[in-house]
Parts: sequence; structure tokens; C-alpha cells
Amino acid sequence: AQSVAQPEDQVNVAEGNPLTVKCTYSVSGNPYLFWYVQYPNRGLQFLLKYITGDNLVKGSYGFEAEFNKSQTSFHLKKPSALVSDSALYFCAVRDRGTGGFKTIFGAGTRLFVKA
Amino acid sequence: EAGVTQFPSHSVIEKGQTVTLRCDPISGHDNLYWYRRVMGKEIKFLLHFVKESKQDESGMPNNRFLAERTGGTYSTLKVQPAELEDSGVYFCASSQGWTGSYEQYFGPGTRLTVT
Repeated sequence: AQSVAQPEDQVNVAEGNPLTVKCTYSVSGNPYLFWYVQYPNRGLQFLLKYITGDNLVKGSYGFEAEFNKSQTSFHLKKPSALVSDSALYFCAVRDRGTGGFKTIFGAGTRLFVKA
Repeated sequence: EAGVTQFPSHSVIEKGQTVTLRCDPISGHDNLYWYRRVMGKEIKFLLHFVKESKQDESGMPNNRFLAERTGGTYSTLKVQPAELEDSGVYFCASSQGWTGSYEQYFGPGTRLTVT
């Protein structure tokens, strides 16, 4: 069965420190991989995606993520966290082998950045 | 460009009643999706429209849920009769393109509470 795991319900980091939000996945085919962020009372906003090519992808607001095929991971990173990064982050995958439209989401990781 | 809009933002109904949620996608986006997030768990795929056609409705929980997209523009999701376990946040999203490599744009969600 296809699934996405975000092993941490919450990540706490001090402003200015690097942050990592973890994501591992299980799909039968080759995945499209995405990260979305949700701020309070807002819809999910797209951050970045991996489709093909360079395993390190850069996205909005200084975020980046690295696709690791052998570990089936797609961890989200940022070199220096801001208080405004505090939000709910969702990892998502789509199996391109089945058309690639059906999205499987993780349960979300809440990021708290302390000033 | 207007984003994805959803109406209502919040609905409280009693068990056994009917509720209809509406989603207006971004103009020109042929792909429209419905998702649901229950009790802080993962966001679950419900179905995918391409224009007015249901491309994948494998995530629809049961026949109490009916989604339509007449004319290929806005979509409605009707729950009839509502049960307690239907409570959650219902998200709509839209995307362009012929593959799942395109990011989805999400609406703010409708919070449904069934009492």
C-alpha cells in the first residue's frame, strides 16, 4: 500500500538554527514528491517538488529538500529558521506509474521556531 | 488571479442532515480534487475530476458522498445523510496540466462538524 510517514508530530528549533522535517514514503512506482505548508486558517501552499533530475530541489522561502531513492526519503530543510516558518508542513507523494494525480499525504509535522 | 475558493468556511449540522460543500477552482484548471482531513490525521484523497468527468473516485468513503462538477467549472460535494465520522476539514484543490507533476493549489477548506 502507498503511504507517507512523517515520524515527528512536532519539531522545535531556535530561530537562526537549521531545521529538518523528515519524510519517508512507500509507493510502488516512481514518485512525484511534494512539500506543502499550511498556516492557520489557510489552505495548503506549495513549497517545492521533485519530479526528475537533481536530487536537491530548492523551493519557496529558502526551503530545500533532498530526494534519496535508496532511503525513500524526501526531507525538508532550511539552513536558518525564521519565527515566521512556524506552521504545519505536509509531505506528499504521487505515483507517476498510475497517472500521478492521486496524492498521498503524510499526517503533517508542526514546526515551532522560537525567537 | 483568484485562488481556489470554498464555501462555506464552516458548517455545523446534526447527524442525518444533508450538507453541500462548494469549490471554485482556479480559472482554466481542468483538474479538481477533493480531500478530507479528519481529527489531525493525514489528508486523504477523495476524488479527482478532469473537467466534468470523474477520473478517480477511489477515495470516496461510501455512497453517502456525491461529488459533481457540472460544466467543468465549480464542484459540489454533498454528504447525505451526514454521520458523526464525517466531521473534518474538506479541502478542494485544482491544478493544470496533463500529468501529476503539476502542483496543486488548495482552497482554505470547509470545516464540517456533525453533532
